[in-house]
Amino acid sequence: DVKVTQSSRYLVKRTGEKVFLECVQDMDHENMFWYRQDPGLGLRLIYFSYDVKMKEKGDIPEGYSVSREKKERFSLILESASTNQTSMYLCASSPWSSTNEKLFFGSGTQLSVL
Amino acid sequence: KQEVTQIPAALSVPEGENLVLNCSFTDSAIYNLQWFRQDPGKGLTSLLLIQSSQREQTSGRLNASLDKSSGRSTLYIAASQPGDSATYLCAVKIQGGKLIFGQGTELSVKP
Repeated sequence: DVKVTQSSRYLVKRTGEKVFLECVQDMDHENMFWYRQDPGLGLRLIYFSYDVKMKEKGDIPEGYSVSREKKERFSLILESASTNQTSMYLCASSPWSSTNEKLFFGSGTQLSVL
Repeated sequence: KQEVTQIPAALSVPEGENLVLNCSFTDSAIYNLQWFRQDPGKGLTSLLLIQSSQREQTSGRLNASLDKSSGRSTLYIAASQPGDSATYLCAVKIQGGKLIFGQGTELSVKP
């Protein structure tokens, strides 16, 4: 089974801190994604990547950056955390395939910014 | 702009009942549609993926259909069980590789 691992289940940070959220997948998937999920707003795409060292902005990239130095690892960086970035963060991966592009999610990181 | 809607937002049924969850999308130019399950405080699990050229997919007690021309998909759950209680989300893949998610239907199956 595909495993997508997010480094922290719960995280509490202070306003202004630099925050790193790590995500690792073990199935050699080309595509990786970062979403945030908020009540009433659903899932919103922050950034995604189709290959190593490659990144594309999603719908809400402001205040975030990403890093993909290795194929299996996709990191989300909050440059200066703010209270409106308190949210559930979900990482996902999928293979590069025209016929089987199921998306596999990690368990999520609940981030609280105080 | 593609929008995905799931109605109702919440549904409660007695155990054993067959049920249908609905998903509608505004733009028929999609590559595929996926149904996901999410348990409280957890990530999403992909249940079924339907390519744009397909009409339906089945897995166990689950059957998903796709009518691209009308912008609709349904997830049919047969003989529901309390363990099926969760939030079910649908998502469409559009040009550029993005997935657009609906807000989900929270299902509760009562014993």
